[in-house]
Amino acid sequence: QVQLQESGPGLVKPSETLSLTCGVSGYSISSGYYWGWIRQPPGKGLEWIGHIYHSGNTYYNPSLKSRITISVDTSKNQFSLKLSSVTAADTAVYYCARQRDSGWSDYWGQGTLVTVSS
Amino acid sequence: DIVMTQSPDSLAVSLGERATINCKSSQSVLYSSNNKNYLGWYQHKPGQPPKLLIYWASTRESGVPDRFSGSGSGTDFTLTISSLQAEDVAVYYCQQYYTTPYSFGQGTKLEIK
Repeated sequence: QVQLQESGPGLVKPSETLSLTCGVSGYSISSGYYWGWIRQPPGKGLEWIGHIYHSGNTYYNPSLKSRITISVDTSKNQFSLKLSSVTAADTAVYYCARQRDSGWSDYWGQGTLVTVSS
Repeated sequence: DIVMTQSPDSLAVSLGERATINCKSSQSVLYSSNNKNYLGWYQHKPGQPPKLLIYWASTRESGVPDRFSGSGSGTDFTLTISSLQAEDVAVYYCQQYYTTPYSFGQGTKLEIK
């Protein structure tokens, strides 16, 4: 079955860059679909960050657009998120997910907590 | 951007009773060319990732119990749990995928009365 797993540092210093990778198993990214990132700050709701198509086309949430880069590595069957110039407001559980062409997310990673603190 | 607003923020229902959660979008998410509502529902339990329950506003994802149903069109949608079970305690989110940035409602916390 399709499985996704986030990996990356759990602690990032303010003004630095948050980097996460999502490894995918059970499905080849190059076969299709979008691959997205969603986050949940502590005590708050879900925020859609952005997605990348298997071909490499991206869309980012305008609220974060100037700081985000999402990339895909089909040879490793993984995709990545970079968020620059982080602040405490970027502290959240970050989820990666497979997103169907129409838009809903049917498979999710377990999520990883990233804390921004000095 | 489309703003999604859920009501109520929290809800307590007795076991076996019906639970109803509402979701309103700031603009229609009905795509006229295919007559589909670009609206999904997710269940989110602590320590777990969100789980897709419903897409196209009313289509149950494979494996989702039939006590979960979705309805509505245009800007007003409802998630109904026909007979609440203990394992249904969670936060429920609606999400529009009509246009990017895809957006979620603020969530509705469902508890047992």
